Amino acid sequence: DTGVSQDPRHKITKRGQNVTFRCDPISEHNRLYWYRQTLGQGPEFLTYFQNEAQLEKSRLLSDRFSAERPKGSFSTLEIQRTEQGDSAMYLCASSLVSGGYGEQYFGPGTRLTVT
Amino acid sequence: GNSVTQMEGPVTLSEEAFLTINCTYTATGYPSLFWYVQYPGEGLQLLLKATKADDKGSNKGFEATYRKETTSFHLEKGSVQVSDSAVYFCALSSSNTGNQFYFGTGTSLTVIP
Repeated sequence: DTGVSQDPRHKITKRGQNVTFRCDPISEHNRLYWYRQTLGQGPEFLTYFQNEAQLEKSRLLSDRFSAERPKGSFSTLEIQRTEQGDSAMYLCASSLVSGGYGEQYFGPGTRLTVT
Repeated sequence: GNSVTQMEGPVTLSEEAFLTINCTYTATGYPSLFWYVQYPGEGLQLLLKATKADDKGSNKGFEATYRKETTSFHLEKGSVQVSDSAVYFCALSSSNTGNQFYFGTGTSLTVIP
């Protein structure tokens, strides 16, 4: 078990550019979640997948954000036309849900800075 | 809706002091409750959990009891160590909402020798 991994760990981009982050969940986990954490706050839910299906999106997820999980394995989160307000830590978590709740395991996060 | 209210920090304690970090919640349905810890420069790690009323979660000397009557899940430790310095997050998860987590704002703890 190598845990949840995220790439890159840090990203600095200029306003207006597009960025894409990758998350590799624990291999047998069927659910994958994306969260955003700003300084001094707890993580806020963005979206989640069960296998390859995106089942829920937060209203925080504007139309500039898109997430995919092809084949139910890794996931990507893309932000188009980045804004300074997008600067945050983006966290990925995965869980194995079967008949009830599933404990979530978090990756180390991708820190995005938009200049 | 679901939400978590957590005691504001920062909290500074001397080594071997008693720790309490308050957490209360509102939820639809029957949530599971969690405490996560974030050490400097690291990701969130599950500290302990409780999945139903009156359950007590415990790990590494930390404890929290799921109190449905007071909608609380306070974190306690009898004797803190310098290595406990971190940010602590209370969270809830409900199967009514896809098991997404709702986090509190976090409480920063610094333990001084």
